[in-house]
Amino acid sequence: DIQMTQSPSSLSASVGDRVTITCRASQGIDNFLAWFQQQPGKAPKSLIFAASRLQSDVPSRFTGSGSGTDFTLTINSLQPEDFATYYCQQYYNYPPTFGQGTRLEI
Amino acid sequence: EVQLLESGGGLVQPGGSLRLSCAVSGFGVNTFSMAWVRQAPGKGLEWVSAIGGNVPKTYYAASVKGRFSISRDNSKNTLYLQLDSLRVEDTAFYYCAKDRLTSMTPSWLFDVWGRGTLVTVSS
Repeated sequence: DIQMTQSPSSLSASVGDRVTITCRASQGIDNFLAWFQQQPGKAPKSLIFAASRLQSDVPSRFTGSGSGTDFTLTINSLQPEDFATYYCQQYYNYPPTFGQGTRLEI
Repeated sequence: EVQLLESGGGLVQPGGSLRLSCAVSGFGVNTFSMAWVRQAPGKGLEWVSAIGGNVPKTYYAASVKGRFSISRDNSKNTLYLQLDSLRVEDTAFYYCAKDRLTSMTPSWLFDVWGRGTLVTVSS
């Protein structure tokens, strides 16, 4: 199975800040990488797929980049609703695997 | 509007069984591949099982193979997960998720998730 490793595990920031979360795959996955946001007590929400393509309802302050083994999620000008846990997921092959999550807190 | 609504969770003893349901609205449950993903309390996400669109080929994580069974009822537009021989480590929120692509084979990319149902395995 492909292992997905996120860093950092947790991150403190303030409204208006810019933050970056990284995700590394244990082998090359081309651009088959998705990012999810999970608010406490809620279901995951799809943010980005194909490493950099935003889902239709996701604000443009979210950007994704990377290819191969190294990926980043950047959030510009943090808003209060952005404080949540973020997960990366590879869908390059079966079984799909997730990173351990990055908790973004104030 | 596309919606997924899980139900059927609860408290069960080790070795027991449960059947989870995921009521689908806004599309046909056999139009897309569908999956179950679980999350132990305070932990990360773990893919559990999937079923192909139109063709009912099934897929399972090694941790649940032989104990869990995924299926769907097209007439009820509902996805199911039968959980047998439950273990304490199966305790988790179980989410159903829709595959993004309309293909027989899962793309493993999930674009819509339900709110989840909690399964607690404890004596």
